[in-house]
Amino acid sequence: NAGVTQTPKFRVLKTGQSMTLLCAQDMNHEYMYWYRQDPGMGLRLIHYSVGEGTTAKGEVPDGYNVSRLKKQNFLLGLESAAPSQTSVYFCASSPDSLNQPQHFGDGTRLSIL
Amino acid sequence: KQEVTQIPAALSVPEGENLVLNCSFTDSAIYNLQWFRQDPGKGLTSLLLIQSSQREQTSGRLNASLDKSSGRSTLYIAASQPGDSATYLCAATGAGSYQLTFGKGTKLSVIP
Repeated sequence: NAGVTQTPKFRVLKTGQSMTLLCAQDMNHEYMYWYRQDPGMGLRLIHYSVGEGTTAKGEVPDGYNVSRLKKQNFLLGLESAAPSQTSVYFCASSPDSLNQPQHFGDGTRLSIL
Repeated sequence: KQEVTQIPAALSVPEGENLVLNCSFTDSAIYNLQWFRQDPGKGLTSLLLIQSSQREQTSGRLNASLDKSSGRSTLYIAASQPGDSATYLCAATGAGSYQLTFGKGTKLSVIP
């Protein structure tokens, strides 16, 4: 039972490079989320999706784009990476955002040099 | 804007002790309050979810309470074990919102 799988687990980028983080869930959940976790800041919501083909901005969306072309996948893109985007990124999913807890992946550690 | 605070930031207790972790939130218009556990290098694992209409939830040695009027929630851990060592996070879902607002967590160490 895989749950929520994030790819890659670690990545080092240079400033200005682009990359895409992949989140895949096998629980047929409708809602998916991307968070970033920084020391002293806690987890903050970047973008979320309430269903296939939908996306919405969270608390800290600037510098990121997302896509939900398939129900099971939620992609987070960095078009031009900046050192301020060095963080641990977590993906989560839930069948219902208000009545059920979110299930989290193990995170992607991203360093921007 | 909702703010969630967890005090203390770190707590160390001897094995077998009962303990309480505290969480406070500024906006009482919440839909639910959730408690998570995070182990080093791992994602979050949901422990308990309390709906705004509920006062408490229990799972095994864990009991979470919610007092919306005072903006507080507590997580009670009975008979603590070294395996309980982790960071515990609380998060509030705002009414009419899809967003969880997280506290910064309490790092718990249970000493054998």
